[in-house]
Amino acid sequence: EDQVTQSPEALRLQEGESSSLNCSYTVSGLRGLFWYRQDPGKGPEFLFTLYSAGEEKEKERLKATLTKKESFLHITAPKPEDSATYLCADSGAGSYQLTFGKGTKLSVIP
Amino acid sequence: DAGVIQSPRHEVTEMGQEVTLRCKPISGHDYLFWYRQTMMRGLELLIYFNNNVPIDDSGMPEDRFSAKMPNASFSTLKIQPSEPRDSAVYFCASSSRGTAYSNQPQHFGDGTRLSIL
Repeated sequence: EDQVTQSPEALRLQEGESSSLNCSYTVSGLRGLFWYRQDPGKGPEFLFTLYSAGEEKEKERLKATLTKKESFLHITAPKPEDSATYLCADSGAGSYQLTFGKGTKLSVIP
Repeated sequence: DAGVIQSPRHEVTEMGQEVTLRCKPISGHDYLFWYRQTMMRGLELLIYFNNNVPIDDSGMPEDRFSAKMPNASFSTLKIQPSEPRDSAVYFCASSSRGTAYSNQPQHFGDGTRLSIL
């Protein structure tokens, strides 16, 4: 059974303190590793898709990377507005379904 | 472009009542997904459609749940009769077709927060 595990569950950072969030996945035949941001009372907002090991994507202070069994979301010099829950999800061979992790709740303190 | 639109945003009703949640996907998207989110279980896929046809409903918890997609721009998720354990946030998402080896991202609405008393 496909499993997506995110760590840590919660992360508290000072403004400007860089860190990384981890997402490990078990699916075979990866058809995409997806990162989303979710704010309270809102739906998940798409950030990145990664398709193959070694791939990297960047957007502002966020950079997502992918290995064969893990993905990392690096946050450089975070600001309070980066506070949110970050979700990752994978999709495997022959499927259009996403399996989501439980998320990492990030709090950035001014 | 308008995103995925869900209604109502909030629904409070009594146990035993019928509940209908509505979704308008992004125009041109071939796939539509219904999810449920709870603190305990996170985001869980309930059912998804391709070109208005249900493909996989294995995530639908019980026969009390049903979903339809009468056309490319509208879908409903119905619970009848509703129970307190159905209380959750229900999301609809849509995506365009991918390739033989990769999927396109799903885009989510802002959900319906359902409370069954």
